Amino acid sequence: GIQVEQSPPDLILQEGANSTLRCNFSDSVNNLQWFHQNPWGQLINLFYIPSGTKQNGRLSATTVATERYSLLYISSSQTTDSGVYFCAVGSGTSYGKLTFGQGTILTVHP
Amino acid sequence: DTGVSQNPRHKITKRGQNVTFRCDPISEHNRLYWYRQTLGQGPEFLTYFQNEAQLEKSRLLSDRFSAERPKGSFSTLEIQRTEQGDSAMYLCASSLVGEEFFGPGTRLTVL
Repeated sequence: GIQVEQSPPDLILQEGANSTLRCNFSDSVNNLQWFHQNPWGQLINLFYIPSGTKQNGRLSATTVATERYSLLYISSSQTTDSGVYFCAVGSGTSYGKLTFGQGTILTVHP
Repeated sequence: DTGVSQNPRHKITKRGQNVTFRCDPISEHNRLYWYRQTLGQGPEFLTYFQNEAQLEKSRLLSDRFSAERPKGSFSTLEIQRTEQGDSAMYLCASSLVGEEFFGPGTRLTVL
């Protein structure tokens, strides 16, 4: 099956700093989502981005499908950005069967 | 528009007991998915339904696990003869096309 690798595994920032999270995948995909998992376990949708670039406030994401990677940018980080960020991909006719990466644990200090 | 809901939110059971979880998807969504997440890991796919048809099951879904989606609305996931290794967060998601939306999960603890 498809492999998903996220980097870095852990990231510690001071409030106000910018960061880039990376997601590499081993095969072509037609579904890619970024999630933020809050301390209670809820997965919050950030982006549905199988290709191209999107922005939502301080967050933006870019997927380069031909090179099999996606990037999540967080600018002017806030303490509330802390948590685990997951990239998940799907491919073929089973595009809804998401394969998740191991996640990036982000800690933002005041 | 209400999101995906799951009940119960927490379940503590003794090894060997049966448990059943319920998922109510977003109303117009025809696809429903079950995932399992253990501590420190990303969620892993278990099974999914398109309307009432169960289209795919993971090898993770042993014969002690069964899922149903009668009438293509809510879904139930039953675990028979629970084992300590079944302790995990069970997540449900739904979609119409492409983007999936997740419920809050049911955290199962098997003593």
